Amino acid sequence: AQSVTQLDSQVPVFEEAPVELRCNYSSSVSVYLFWYVQYPNQGLQLLLKYLSGSTLVKGINGFEAEFNKSQTSFHLRKPSVHISDTAEYFCAVSDRIAGGGNKLTFGTGTQLKVEL
Amino acid sequence: GAGVSQTPSNKVTEKGKYVELRCDPISGHTALYWYRQSLGQGPEFLIYFQGTGAADDSGLPNDRFFAVRPEGSVSTLKIQRTERGDSAVYLCASRDWRLNTGELFFGEGSRLTVL
Repeated sequence: AQSVTQLDSQVPVFEEAPVELRCNYSSSVSVYLFWYVQYPNQGLQLLLKYLSGSTLVKGINGFEAEFNKSQTSFHLRKPSVHISDTAEYFCAVSDRIAGGGNKLTFGTGTQLKVEL
Repeated sequence: GAGVSQTPSNKVTEKGKYVELRCDPISGHTALYWYRQSLGQGPEFLIYFQGTGAADDSGLPNDRFFAVRPEGSVSTLKIQRTERGDSAVYLCASRDWRLNTGELFFGEGSRLTVL
């Protein structure tokens, strides 16, 4: 079984400032890691994913995340945010077991609010 | 359409009524998932289909909840004797099972309100 912890429920930030959204996970098996974004009244959209290889992954809209196995973390970062980045961000984990269903386990989400 | 389609987008019902929510996955995606997202929470897994069969229904909260996928494409989530606590957004997602990456493609959800 896996679990995901997003310690910050809300993160206010000014436009053009950098931001980091924190994510820690727990799992007894190797995992894949994801960040999804949810705009108001919309479904979840994939921002980026870590499957293997380089621990720094880049996603859409200028976001990136770094996988740290020793700290079991997968923090999301953006060097300069825009008003349009205001949304709910979810970190998620799935197991790597072939044929295992790969169901995602989500964190409780972080509301990013970008202010002028 | 190219994405996951869910209907209805909004459903308001009274306590005790029966509700059906429909999901049409991306064409060719044999894996289909239902999640429930309560206000202020992350999505919680309900059930997963591989083809026509439910491969994992461990997330269904009780026997009032049931889901089917008779032809391996469209799926229907059925809720009997609805309760106010069932109010949530029900999300459907699909995946190409050949890609063992866990990436799911989500629909926009069906918002259920039980009065």
